[in-house]
This record gives sequence, structure tokens and C-alpha cells, in this order.
Amino acid sequence: NAGVTQTPKFRILKIGQSMTLQCAQDMNHNYMYWYRQDPGMGLKLIYYSVGAGITDKGEVPNGYNVSRSTTEDFPLRLELAAPSQTSVYFCASIPGLAEQETQYFGPGTRLLVL
Amino acid sequence: GEDVEQSLFLSVREGDSSVINCTYTDSSSTYLYWYKQEPGAGLQLLTYIFSNMDMKQDQRLTVLLNKKDKHLSLRIADTQTGDSAIYFCAERSGGYQKVTFGTGTKLQVIP
Repeated sequence: NAGVTQTPKFRILKIGQSMTLQCAQDMNHNYMYWYRQDPGMGLKLIYYSVGAGITDKGEVPNGYNVSRSTTEDFPLRLELAAPSQTSVYFCASIPGLAEQETQYFGPGTRLLVL
Repeated sequence: GEDVEQSLFLSVREGDSSVINCTYTDSSSTYLYWYKQEPGAGLQLLTYIFSNMDMKQDQRLTVLLNKKDKHLSLRIADTQTGDSAIYFCAERSGGYQKVTFGTGTKLQVIP
């Protein structure tokens, strides 16, 4: 298993540009999450999904959109990039809420908006 | 909203024990977690404790929970240079979307 993969690893965007951060997992996990990590801060939940076709907002959803057309993929879309979206983005997955020990995080995407 | 606090930095000598502390505010927490983040990598779950437990030991790791004071600690015995990383505590009070992460403690292990 590759686990949770994220692409790209690093990206520089200009203000107003759009991009999609890719996240994929090959473990058949139902639950997937997008977090952002700002310097010196804990992770903040952007969006999450409990299964294909089901998504919901987290704590900081403004400026982002997600979709979950398959169990494997959970892309995060930035429509109009702003400097406040400069951050490191992590995708995570778990098979189910009862399985505490099987949480997986991707390696992250570092995004710089100038 | 809920809050999880950690000290920012801890420095220890190789072979000593490290104790990383965390306080939280949510009295309805069900699970409390410790994660390790190495440079350039995602978070790795180290261990977790259910809120009705006081202690959990897993090899070199000991987690202590004082529910009354809402205080969680992670003790790493015989700290090694490979333990150098940022350690995050997190508390969960419902579904996994209700996990609140601390700001992280950077552990520096001096050879």
C-alpha cells in the first residue's frame, strides 16, 4: 500500500490563481480529511468526507472546495488564491471512527501565495 | 471554541527522559492523542488514551491523563536523537471532525 499520497509537494501561486491539491489513499478508507497547518499552530480542519459523495465543512472552509467522487480521491480546490492561504496542507484518512490506531497522514503540500 | 495548549520547545540530553505536557479545555473529550511530526513529513500517530484511563504504556512511551485538571503528558524514556521532532497532542470530543490539535512541542535531543 502507498498509504496517503499528496501532490504537488510544493507550489507557488499568484494571488487570484486557482489550483487543486490532490489527495489519494489506497487503503479503502471511508473517512478523509483536509487540514491546514500554519507556522507555530496546530492543524485546522478545512473539509472532511465520510464516504464517496459526502462532504462537509470543517473549522476553516472559506476559500476552499472539495469533492469526493470515489473512495480513493479527495481533491481540495482553491478558486481564488489569497496570501492568507499560504500554509502547509495535509490530507488524512481513517477507515472508521472506532479504529483509533489506524490514522494516516499524507506528507503534505506546501503552498505559497504571493 | 475548544483549546489545547502545549509548551513550544523542550531540550533534553540523549538517554534522559523527556516529558511533554499538554492541557485542554473540553470536558467532553473522549480520546486524547499524541502525534509525532518529523521535518517535511505528515503527522504520525504515536499513541492515544481513552478518557476513562489514567495511564497507558507502550514500550518507551508513557501517557498520563489527569482528567480533573485536563492535563495530558507524554513521557519518552531513554530519549534518542531519532526522537527529535515536533509532538502534537490532540483531543477528540465526538466524531473525528471534532479533533482539536495543540500547537506542537519541538523536542530537541542533544547527543
